[in-house]
Amino acid sequence: AQRVTQPEKLLSVFKGAPVELKCNYSYSGSPELFWYVQYSRQRLQLLLRHISRESIKGFTADLNKGETSFHLKKPFAQEEDSAMYYCALPMTTDSWGKLQFGAGTQVVVTP
Amino acid sequence: DSGVTQTPKHLITATGQRVTLRCSPRSGDLSVYWYQQSLDQGLQFLIQYYNGEERAKGNILERFSAQQFPDLHSELNLSSLELGDSALYFCASSVVLAGGSGEQFFGPGTRLTVL
Repeated sequence: AQRVTQPEKLLSVFKGAPVELKCNYSYSGSPELFWYVQYSRQRLQLLLRHISRESIKGFTADLNKGETSFHLKKPFAQEEDSAMYYCALPMTTDSWGKLQFGAGTQVVVTP
Repeated sequence: DSGVTQTPKHLITATGQRVTLRCSPRSGDLSVYWYQQSLDQGLQFLIQYYNGEERAKGNILERFSAQQFPDLHSELNLSSLELGDSALYFCASSVVLAGGSGEQFFGPGTRLTVL
C-alpha cells in the first residue's frame, strides 16, 4: 500500500531562516507527489506538485526516488508561511485521483 | 463563489443520530471526493464519485454512505453517530481522469461535533 510519512508534527522557525519539511513515501511505480497547504481559517489548497518543477511562494520540492523523499524547502521563511502542510500521493496506481495524505506538519514562523 | 462549497459549516448532534453533509463541486468538475480529518487519524480518504458513479472507497465505515446526484452535487450520510465520528469532513473536486491525479480543490469543510 502507498504510504506517506511526515516525521515532524511541528516545525518552528524564525523569520528569514531556511525551512525544510520532510516527506518520505512508499509507492509501487512512478509516483506523482503533491504538497498541499492549509492556512489558518482557509481551505486546503495545492501548493505544488513535482511534475511541474515549479517554485510557488518561494517553495520548491525535489523528488528523490533513491531516497523516496519529496522534501519541501524554502530558503527564507516568512511569517505568512505559517500553516499546516501536507504531503500527498495517489493511493494506488489506478487511483482515479484519490490521495493519500501524510499526517501533516504545522509550521510556525516567528518574527 | 465558483469553488467547492459545503453545507453546513458546523453541525452539532447527539450520539445515535443521523446527519447529511452536502457538497457542490466546482463547475465542470465531475469527480467528488470525501475526506475525514480528525486529530488522531489525520486526513483520511473516505469515498470518491465520478459523474454519478462510485469510483473508489477508502476507510469509510458501513454506517456512512454517499451519493452523487445528476447535477453533480454530493451528499455524505452519517448514521448511528458515535463520539469518535466528530471530525472535520472535507469535500474536494477535480476533473481527474483515470491514470492521473489532477489538482483537487477542497471545500471549507463541515465540522461535525457528536455529543
